[in-house]
Amino acid sequence: EIVLTQSPGTLSLSPGERATLSCRASQSVSSNFLAWYQQKPGQAPRLLIYAASSRATGIPDRFSGGGSGTDFTLTINRLEPEDFAVYYCQQYGYSEWTFGQGTKVESK
Amino acid sequence: QVQLVQSGAEVKKPGASVRVSCKASGYSFTGYAMYWVRQAPGQRLEWMGWINGANGITKYSQRFQGRVIITRDTSASTAYMELSSLTSEDTAMYYCAGAISTNSFDVWGQGTMVTVS
Repeated sequence: EIVLTQSPGTLSLSPGERATLSCRASQSVSSNFLAWYQQKPGQAPRLLIYAASSRATGIPDRFSGGGSGTDFTLTINRLEPEDFAVYYCQQYGYSEWTFGQGTKVESK
Repeated sequence: QVQLVQSGAEVKKPGASVRVSCKASGYSFTGYAMYWVRQAPGQRLEWMGWINGANGITKYSQRFQGRVIITRDTSASTAYMELSSLTSEDTAMYYCAGAISTNSFDVWGQGTMVTVS
């Protein structure tokens, strides 16, 4: 099983600032199957980024993804109040999907 | 619009089984797989398994192998997830999800809370 480790655990930022979230895999991951999700309290996750860098339908362009191999990044430019949430990375490999433990982006 | 609607919350005794349903609408049910993911309180998302909407072939996470069964009823455009031998550690929100327009989980059900107590 490929283990995904996200850092930091919590990111305290102000609206308008940039958030940079990291996702590191225990083995190389196909970029085609690396995704990022946003989850707010009491809600189902929402797909933000798929194939490492493609934005899902309706996702603002302040969200961007990058990386390859074992290191991937989600960047949120100019944080909006509605962006404060928990973010998860996800990968598919060896016939299994796994998720990271999440990064909470909170308002400072 | 594409939508997944799950069955309501469940409370079960330890050792019992639970079955959660997920009704799809707005797309061809047999054209896509259905995935099941759970999230224990304060924990990360955890993939449980998936079913091929066309032929019913399933694949389960090793963590749940032997305890989970995913089925489908194509006439009702509904997938089912049954988890047996429940313990308190199975208390979680259970989600169904689909990869409809991307290769990731772009559609999610609203979640079904299962409490084992």
